[in-house]
Amino acid sequence: DGGITQSPKYLFRKEGQNVTLSCEQNLNHDAMYWYRQDPGQGLRLIYYSQIVNDFQKGDIAEGYSVSREKKESFPLTVTSAQKNPTAFYLCASSGGPLGGKNIQYFGAGTRLSVL
Amino acid sequence: EDQVTQSPEALRLQEGESSSLNCSYTVSGLRGLFWYRQDPGKGPEFLFTLYSAGEEKEKERLKATLTKKESFLHITAPKPEDSATYLCAVQALYNFNKFYFGSGTKLNVKP
Repeated sequence: DGGITQSPKYLFRKEGQNVTLSCEQNLNHDAMYWYRQDPGQGLRLIYYSQIVNDFQKGDIAEGYSVSREKKESFPLTVTSAQKNPTAFYLCASSGGPLGGKNIQYFGAGTRLSVL
Repeated sequence: EDQVTQSPEALRLQEGESSSLNCSYTVSGLRGLFWYRQDPGKGPEFLFTLYSAGEEKEKERLKATLTKKESFLHITAPKPEDSATYLCAVQALYNFNKFYFGSGTKLNVKP
């Protein structure tokens, strides 16, 4: 089945620790995104990537880092510089900016909490 | 400023009681408007995309419509399994990768 796989489902971070959230897609999509969701708020864009080896900051990139070494994979690292990391993290992908449709499809999410 | 506002924040309906959810938006050029359903602890599930004013899409008990300033998600004779949070997002014409999300409407349908 084609889709987006996020892991782990739950993650706990200790003070001063970096943690990495995994996102893999087998939809052959060019573009991938990371969003953060907090209660009562809309999804906020952290980073996005239109193509391998290229990525751009979103609205709330501070304290986060990403890489895009393969088309299928877009891992997100939450660094110790992110002082309020507790949130639900969503990865999405889309067919890319070209063409008529640019629907984003989402993974099941990773819930990150601070110990 | 580009933004999306959804109302109401929460909606409680009896089974079979039809209603509408609103998504109003301000964006400098609309490329597309998207509706998603999100169940607790899950990722958003794509429902509809609308591209131009006057366009309508239907799926089972749901119907989405679009004007130049807002979109409605009409729910006809809802069932308890329609209970979820419904998210609206708009894609800006000038930046394919910019999607503005509303904070959602939490729908609760009582049997």
